[in-house]
Amino acid sequence: TQLLEQSPQFLSIQEGENLTVYCNSSSVFSSLQWYRQEPGEGPVLLVTVVTGGEVKKLKRLTFQFGDARKDSSLHITAAQPGDTGLYLCAGATGTASKLTFGTGTRLQVTL
Amino acid sequence: NAGVMQNPRHLVRRRGQEARLRCSPMKGHSHVYWYRQLPEEGLKFMVYLQKENIIDESGMPKERFSAEFPKEGPSILRIQQVVRGDSAAYFCASSPHERSPLHFGNGTRLTVT
Repeated sequence: TQLLEQSPQFLSIQEGENLTVYCNSSSVFSSLQWYRQEPGEGPVLLVTVVTGGEVKKLKRLTFQFGDARKDSSLHITAAQPGDTGLYLCAGATGTASKLTFGTGTRLQVTL
Repeated sequence: NAGVMQNPRHLVRRRGQEARLRCSPMKGHSHVYWYRQLPEEGLKFMVYLQKENIIDESGMPKERFSAEFPKEGPSILRIQQVVRGDSAAYFCASSPHERSPLHFGNGTRLTVT
């Protein structure tokens, strides 16, 4: 059974701070996706990383895929209240249909 | 363009009743996936369907649960004789191709009383 462990599980920070969320597994994934989910809504795709060592930037968000394609990180610079939400990593093996989701990191950014 | 549409948004059923959850994929998407999210847990894969075919149902409980995606109309996730443990948010996602990123609906929250 593939497992994706995310840490930390909960994170409460003030506006302007930086943070990093980690997503770790003992399994190798062909690609890894990051989603953000707000209460009462479905997950929204943020980014897909495919190549080991790949780094992608999305405004203040930086995503990295580990060299061995077993882990990933999400770094947010100068967090804002609008960044509040549940962040989920999800790994794909082979096809993108059967995603294994991580345990989630619940982020709260306060003024 | 309308996104993935799920209905109802909230569904309350008594133990032993049937629950039917509907999902209309995005226009042009022929691949549909169902995931379940238990309170304070991540999403768990249930089933992957293409039009009229079940491709992978390895995450679906063997009993009481079934899914279909007919040639016409929405995909249906059916849960017979619901129990309290079935209470969860059920999310549908669609994609245009097998390896494309998934677009999720806003889910159906099932409560079994």
